[in-house]
Amino acid sequence: DGGITQSPKYLFRKEGQNVTLSCEQNLNHDAMYWYRQDPGQGLRLIYYSQIVNDFQKGDIAEGYSVSREKKESFPLTVTSAQKNPTAFYLCASSKRQGGQETQYFGPGTRLLVL
Amino acid sequence: QQPVQSPQAVILREGEDAVINCSSSKALYSVHWYRQKHGEAPVFLMILLKGGEQKGHDKISASFNEKKQQSSLYLTASQLSYSGTYFCGTQPINAGNNRKLIWGLGTSLAVNP
Repeated sequence: DGGITQSPKYLFRKEGQNVTLSCEQNLNHDAMYWYRQDPGQGLRLIYYSQIVNDFQKGDIAEGYSVSREKKESFPLTVTSAQKNPTAFYLCASSKRQGGQETQYFGPGTRLLVL
Repeated sequence: QQPVQSPQAVILREGEDAVINCSSSKALYSVHWYRQKHGEAPVFLMILLKGGEQKGHDKISASFNEKKQQSSLYLTASQLSYSGTYFCGTQPINAGNNRKLIWGLGTSLAVNP
């Protein structure tokens, strides 16, 4: 079955600690995205990548870093510089086909600060 | 730049109809509709393209008014399973190779028995 997986489902971070959220897709999509969602809020774009070895900052990139070494993988690191990291993190991927492009989301990772 | 969704929230009784609007100040190439249930990821519903036709499946349909740069999502004879937050994502015509979507803040829909 093709799809997007995110791990872990829940992640706890201590003060001053960097943590990495995993996102893997086997849909052969070239574009991948990371969003942050706070309770009752919309989707805010952190980083996105349209091709391997290239990525762009979204609207709230400060305190986060990413890499795109493989087409299938787009890990997100929440650094200690991110002072308020508690949120629901969603990874998505997409592929342009016939003038259309649809983003599909993974199940999400909920990050909590201890 | 962010599209405006209206209403912000709506409460229905099972079987009633609802319309959710998504309006942009920019000329749009496409509008994407998603539904998110509490604690889950958004699920794709449908995409409306500039010059395209009204879309729909089951009792959920959508239209795209290019003159107004507005898309409307129609939910008819609502079911309990329709409850959730509905988001529109828009892609401007002048986005070029930038494929990211610009998201509305969502419309919360609750369907009660």
